[in-house]
Amino acid sequence: DQQVKQNSPSLSVQEGRISILNCDYTNSMFDYFLWYKKYPAEGPTFLISISSIKDKNEDGRFTVFLNKSAKHLSLHIVPSQPGDSAVYFCAASSSYSGAGSYQLTFGKGTKLSVIP
Amino acid sequence: SQTIHQWPATLVQPVGSPLSLECTVEGTSNPNLYWYRQAAGRGLQLLFYSIGIGQISSEVPQNLSASRPQDRQFILSSKKLLLSDSGFYLCAWSLAPGGKNIQYFGAGTRLSVL
Repeated sequence: DQQVKQNSPSLSVQEGRISILNCDYTNSMFDYFLWYKKYPAEGPTFLISISSIKDKNEDGRFTVFLNKSAKHLSLHIVPSQPGDSAVYFCAASSSYSGAGSYQLTFGKGTKLSVIP
Repeated sequence: SQTIHQWPATLVQPVGSPLSLECTVEGTSNPNLYWYRQAAGRGLQLLFYSIGIGQISSEVPQNLSASRPQDRQFILSSKKLLLSDSGFYLCAWSLAPGGKNIQYFGAGTRLSVL
């Protein structure tokens, strides 16, 4: 059972335009969400996160939106740059479960290609 | 600042051979430590996590084991590798015991079992 889903395996965007990466989750106990960026043969790099008490968090060109009622979050990159080309993972965690609070549940990732 | 080191970067091992991957964290004390595996075309799967020396929790029953002999050292082992153990192994650390669980990853080890 996949609790965090990234339904688009890939996305191509023109340089300078907006990239929107989507993520859906099924576990209503998740209360903290993260986005990671991963280049080939490297470990994921933390990008941005959002707590369930917020619906938006912004950091430079990156903005994460959370819609709790729809169990959906999205990452917006504006403007997109060729260096943003990477695989983006959505992840979620829950502070409610003692053991589960250590675990991040990851989606399968979306490969973003920014075309110059 | 904190850094995480993971080695080797790549490893090719025959089926049935042992495995030892090492991960160390610098610049912090008593971190939570994690081992993940990314199989081809799949997301990140948590294998083990540790909240302290000698404390290991396994998330997926399998051919692998983990140990934490020192505060900032985490080791992934196997006595006999299987073909299905091939993948990209990642070590990670975090500070918070829960809630804002931001995990920071090492560069990973690409393991090919032949």
